[in-house]
Amino acid sequence: QKEVEQDPGPLSVPEGAIVSLNCTYSNSAFQYFMWYRQYSRKGPELLMYTYSSGNKEDGRFTAQVDKSSKYISLFIRDSQPSDSATYLCAMTFSGGYQKVTFGTGTKLQVIP
Amino acid sequence: DGGITQSPKYLFRKEGQNVTLSCEQNLNHDAMYWYRQDPGQGLRLIYYSQIVNDFQKGDIAEGYSVSREKKESFPLTVTSAQKNPTAFYLCASSITGAEETQYFGPGTRLLVL
Repeated sequence: QKEVEQDPGPLSVPEGAIVSLNCTYSNSAFQYFMWYRQYSRKGPELLMYTYSSGNKEDGRFTAQVDKSSKYISLFIRDSQPSDSATYLCAMTFSGGYQKVTFGTGTKLQVIP
Repeated sequence: DGGITQSPKYLFRKEGQNVTLSCEQNLNHDAMYWYRQDPGQGLRLIYYSQIVNDFQKGDIAEGYSVSREKKESFPLTVTSAQKNPTAFYLCASSITGAEETQYFGPGTRLLVL
């Protein structure tokens, strides 16, 4: 079993839809949860990160962590064609140097 | 503008050849990382460095080497011992101890001739 599981998609939605992207994980000790956006043939861009449980909102993006279910989500409201990209979840522990574990990414296509 | 640059964008390697990928950052970050990205796999850590003149192996260091002589620079050499080097290579940096906020460069795609 992989430490972090992410559905590869592709996920196709019409413009303006609410998008839900998800990851599950197996190690309950993870404390930081991150979401990256990666356009084709580009480096990943950090969208947001959360510490422990709860929600965090930044513009059209909301990150949610449910530690009891070992499940994290990224919601995108009013999706735009420019949101078409691969979204990577990632997570790590707190304290000292800690390796980051990445999901394989979900490819999202927003259709105009 | 602060950021991370990687060069070249594309690199071709011949059999038995060593090649070096460049990574430079002007974010004043102490920590730097090299990852490899293959289709259908998450990013895998090759090497990381938390401070100048010190670096540690990651999960897949075999066939790779690095140096960290300057804070701004962390070049990666893919040696002939790496039998399957075709991949997208990503360099990242962060404040030491803040691995949750790594910033990535644009990547180098390495292809074998």
